[in-house]
Amino acid sequence: NAGVTQTPKFQVLKTGQSMTLQCAQDMNHNSMYWYRQDPGMGLRLIYYSASEGTTDKGEVPNGYNVSRLNKREFSLRLESAAPSQTSVYFCASSDPDGTGAGSPLHFGNGTRLTVT
Amino acid sequence: AQSVTQPDIHITVSEGASLELRCNYSYGATPYLFWYVQSPGQGLQLLLKYFSGDTLVQGIKGFEAEFKRSQSSFNLRKPSVHWSDAAEYFCAVGAPSGNTPLVFGKGTRLSVIA
Repeated sequence: NAGVTQTPKFQVLKTGQSMTLQCAQDMNHNSMYWYRQDPGMGLRLIYYSASEGTTDKGEVPNGYNVSRLNKREFSLRLESAAPSQTSVYFCASSDPDGTGAGSPLHFGNGTRLTVT
Repeated sequence: AQSVTQPDIHITVSEGASLELRCNYSYGATPYLFWYVQSPGQGLQLLLKYFSGDTLVQGIKGFEAEFKRSQSSFNLRKPSVHWSDAAEYFCAVGAPSGNTPLVFGKGTRLSVIA
């Protein structure tokens, strides 16, 4: 009963390095999301995938790319990390019931990323 | 586009006291409304949700929330707070149609004192 699994849990990068954050869900959900959480800013949507094969930009997509590898997996890539990308990143999934109505999000435990 | 305002950044209550966390939303029609809780170092956990029907909804851990259309509010309440309720609480709003992702408020941090 894993739910949403994110790896790694912690990461430190130097400015300019690249990395990929991995996310997998085992609930057969259609939709997956990447949020970042910063103090005083709440959660801000980076990218989402409403269904396998589609991705869309959220509120703060600059500096990120995503891949919906299959129905289970949704990865977030930082091509050239910047200190402004220091944050806690959360992956989430949900399963709109075909009407597109917002169903609750199920969250992973987050990846804490520091860029120096 | 929908938006959410949580007016209180930080609230401190005594253990055993009642709690009300405020949430105001902006949306043209009746939205889907959610409250989530985040314990330190954890992801967000759903407390309760409102889609339609009874405007007073019950959630987990003894929480409830009331939807008031006239005030565009969805405040979270608990009659008696426990020390383990110390966490950050997020209100979120979703559109009732389409695949529009949820929009979150900035959160309210709850501290509980003895």
